[in-house]
Amino acid sequence: GNSVTQMEGPVTLSEEAFLTINCTYTATGYPSLFWYVQYPGEGLQLLLKATKADDKGSNKGFEATYRKETTSFHLEKGSVQVSDSAVYFCALSSSGGSYIPTFGRGTSLIVHP
Amino acid sequence: DAGVIQSPRHEVTEMGQEVTLRCKPISGHNSLFWYRQTMMRGLELLIYFNNNVPIDDSGMPEDRFSAKMPNASFSTLKIQPSEPRDSAVYFCASSLRWGSTPTGELFFGEGSRLTVL
Repeated sequence: GNSVTQMEGPVTLSEEAFLTINCTYTATGYPSLFWYVQYPGEGLQLLLKATKADDKGSNKGFEATYRKETTSFHLEKGSVQVSDSAVYFCALSSSGGSYIPTFGRGTSLIVHP
Repeated sequence: DAGVIQSPRHEVTEMGQEVTLRCKPISGHNSLFWYRQTMMRGLELLIYFNNNVPIDDSGMPEDRFSAKMPNASFSTLKIQPSEPRDSAVYFCASSLRWGSTPTGELFFGEGSRLTVL
């Protein structure tokens, strides 16, 4: 079956630091990969996505590259801001899972001024 | 455009009481999902509907939980009787044409925070 593994948090950084949140997956079929972000008191919202191997998704300074050979989709940002403090979820969907999204446990990011 | 609308945002009730959570999906979306989020278990899929029909309810914890979608613009999740371990944030999400493309995106509501005393 499908599964997503994320690094455990919280990840604590100073403003302008480089961010990496690791995500690896197992899936049947050819999955699409997603990063969602959840700000305090809100629902999840899509941050970026990639639908095939070697695609790079990007949004708001965040990037993630679909690496089929390592089954990974790590989230990166070159310079984080306090406003990036949130919980980040890696997710996938594939035909093998009837396209029902599978989410990781989430990684909390705390950015200090 | 209005997003997914959930009500109530907060609910505090006593053990044994009935709880009904409501969701209005985005107009035109034909798939609807109910999730539960807790610190211990993360985000759990409870049930999802395609075209108002329940497709998979294997995530519903037990018979105390039930969900309905009487039409394309409304769904309910009911817990009867409620227990303290049901305390969580319940999210509704909708999606367009889920299953016809592998690039489906979920649109989440802001959640209903349930506390059962």
